[in-house]
Amino acid sequence: DAGVTQSPTHLIKTRGQHVTLRCSPISGHKSVSWYQQVLGQGPQFIFQYYEKEERGRGNFPDRFSARQFPNYSSELNVNALLLGDSALYLCASETANTNKLEAFFGQGTRLTVV
Amino acid sequence: TQLLEQSPQFLSIQEGENLTVYCNSSSVFSSLQWYRQEPGEGPVLLVTVVTGGEVKKLKRLTFQFGDARKDSSLHITAAQPGDTGLYLCAGVWEYGNKLVFGAGTILRVKS
Repeated sequence: DAGVTQSPTHLIKTRGQHVTLRCSPISGHKSVSWYQQVLGQGPQFIFQYYEKEERGRGNFPDRFSARQFPNYSSELNVNALLLGDSALYLCASETANTNKLEAFFGQGTRLTVV
Repeated sequence: TQLLEQSPQFLSIQEGENLTVYCNSSSVFSSLQWYRQEPGEGPVLLVTVVTGGEVKKLKRLTFQFGDARKDSSLHITAAQPGDTGLYLCAGVWEYGNKLVFGAGTILRVKS
């Protein structure tokens, strides 16, 4: 039973570097969203992709980008890393019925920028 | 900026006590979810409510959606140490397609 898988689980990068985070959604789910969660706060929406198209973007700088592949897996890229980018990055595999959206999260990638 | 307000921010109680966590907004939701998150892990979906006034029960947890679909509550009966964690509410605005999270309530249940 494959849930949402994210890789890597932990990552340490230096300021100015770039990073790529990966996510595989639940089989059959076509929508993937990315969230950033800093300590003491709830997750903040970064991107949503559906059928390989960007469907929504949160209030994040252009250093953040993402894409979705034909198999519905997704990558989140962050360029020119800043110390403030240190956070838990969560990928959500989503179902959307007529009146509700449900998100199932992976375990996250803990990014530390030093 | 968090558009969903959760209260309290932190709750420390003894095993066996009851508690209620609140989630409020000035906007209408098409649906609202409650999640529980443990340190270093992703949030785990507990329940989804979609109808104003809806009440759902999950063992010792009771979830209620306000009549106007602007607020929700989570009530835990006879809390246990295993209930310890971060409880998050998240809503989808009417006509929206993304989740907006509250800041969360940290619950600690002492044995």
